[in-house]
Amino acid sequence: AAGVIQSPRHLIKEKRETATLKCYPIPRHDTVYWYQQGPGQDPQFLISFYEKMQSDKGSIPDRFSAQQFSDYHSELNMSSLELGDSALYFCASRAPWGGGTDTQYFGPGTRLTVL
Amino acid sequence: QQQVKQSPQSLIVQKGGISIINCAYENTAFDYFPWYQQFPGKGPALLIAIRPDVSEKKEGRFTISFNKSAKQFSLHIMDSQPGDSATYFCAASKRETSGSRLTFGEGTQLTVNP
Repeated sequence: AAGVIQSPRHLIKEKRETATLKCYPIPRHDTVYWYQQGPGQDPQFLISFYEKMQSDKGSIPDRFSAQQFSDYHSELNMSSLELGDSALYFCASRAPWGGGTDTQYFGPGTRLTVL
Repeated sequence: QQQVKQSPQSLIVQKGGISIINCAYENTAFDYFPWYQQFPGKGPALLIAIRPDVSEKKEGRFTISFNKSAKQFSLHIMDSQPGDSATYFCAASKRETSGSRLTFGEGTQLTVNP
């Protein structure tokens, strides 16, 4: 079965640089979520999109922005990177509402290292 | 402020034993409670989930017990195996058409000794 695809899997950047993370949801899934997970911590919600519109916003820095495109893939843009942005970034997707579907399926993550 | 509190932080059990992880939540609007399993460097994978209209749900060796009045739920892993060694997260969300964020517990690192 198709899963959530994230690219790149690993990314190394210098402080103050910019990074773009991409997420390709499971086919026909219409909702995408972004989470950040620091070492030894639980995933923290950043932002979500439903049908290409921002649906919820969490503790996402103003330096970060995201969007969902017409083909439902999503990109997380991170500018002025700081050392503290080093983390695993997960994308998750959910099937269309109906039939009681609530499951969020997570991708393999992008490991961002800021030097 | 952690809206979902999870314990214990770490757990060591012997092969064949029962692993029990507990979670408590604050927000009574939550109505969906999944458990995720995560291996190092991998994404969380759904194990089992429950809604508050059910007090217990079992899938294979995994059982969720849910106590709505106490705002608590727990994961029981029967016949624990070394391959179950991973980090387990409970989570909670509010079911919505547009999708609701997952609020995670702090995680439990489970080690099953052979």
